[in-house]
Amino acid sequence: QLQLQESGPGLVRPSETLSLTCTVSGDSISSSDYLWGWIRQSPGKGLEWIGSIHYRGSAYYNPSLKSRVTLSVDTSKNQFSLRLTSVTAADTSMYYCARLVRAYRFFDLWGRGSLVTVSS
Amino acid sequence: QSALTQPASVSGSPGQSITISCTGTSGDIGAYIFVSWYQHYPGKPPKLVIHEVNKRPSGVSDRFSGSKSGNTASLTISGLQAEDEADYYCCSYTGSATFDVIFGGGTKVTVL
Repeated sequence: QLQLQESGPGLVRPSETLSLTCTVSGDSISSSDYLWGWIRQSPGKGLEWIGSIHYRGSAYYNPSLKSRVTLSVDTSKNQFSLRLTSVTAADTSMYYCARLVRAYRFFDLWGRGSLVTVSS
Repeated sequence: QSALTQPASVSGSPGQSITISCTGTSGDIGAYIFVSWYQHYPGKPPKLVIHEVNKRPSGVSDRFSGSKSGNTASLTISGLQAEDEADYYCCSYTGSATFDVIFGGGTKVTVL
């Protein structure tokens, strides 16, 4: 059974870089049928798509975050990662990683989420 | 691009049917079948309940159904139950790039 698990610091200082990793277990990340995505939810707000990446490295970003976001993938570790630079309090969110079904653009499996707080 | 438009809240009594709307544009919902819906309980990850406008994943109750008309997609929950009280989000391919998607603002469903 495929599972996704986010990991990373729960506290990041303002202006610094937020880094999270999603570890995929139970199946290989190297499938052309899927992309691997990040979605966040700020306190009291809705879901926001951050970006998605193919195992070969092609990445797609939310235009509103594109200047600050980098996604990467490490197939040897079955992981993919998120970097968000120059964070502010507005980036305080629950961050989810999820699997995107490539052909039909829906997220069928989600990680449990990782809460990241931006504060000095 | 702005979030898809959903009502902030919808409520119903047990056994009733409710419908949540999700309005986009002719460039996203209106142009593609790539509309999905997610059920989200506080403290848990979102769960897919509908994909490709009206398809239910295995294990999802047939009380959940989806449809689309023009630029608006809808999620209907029939035979409302207490366990259906949650937040619901629609999501659509934006059509602007290969795999860009956008979520709705979310709808809180309350079972009276």
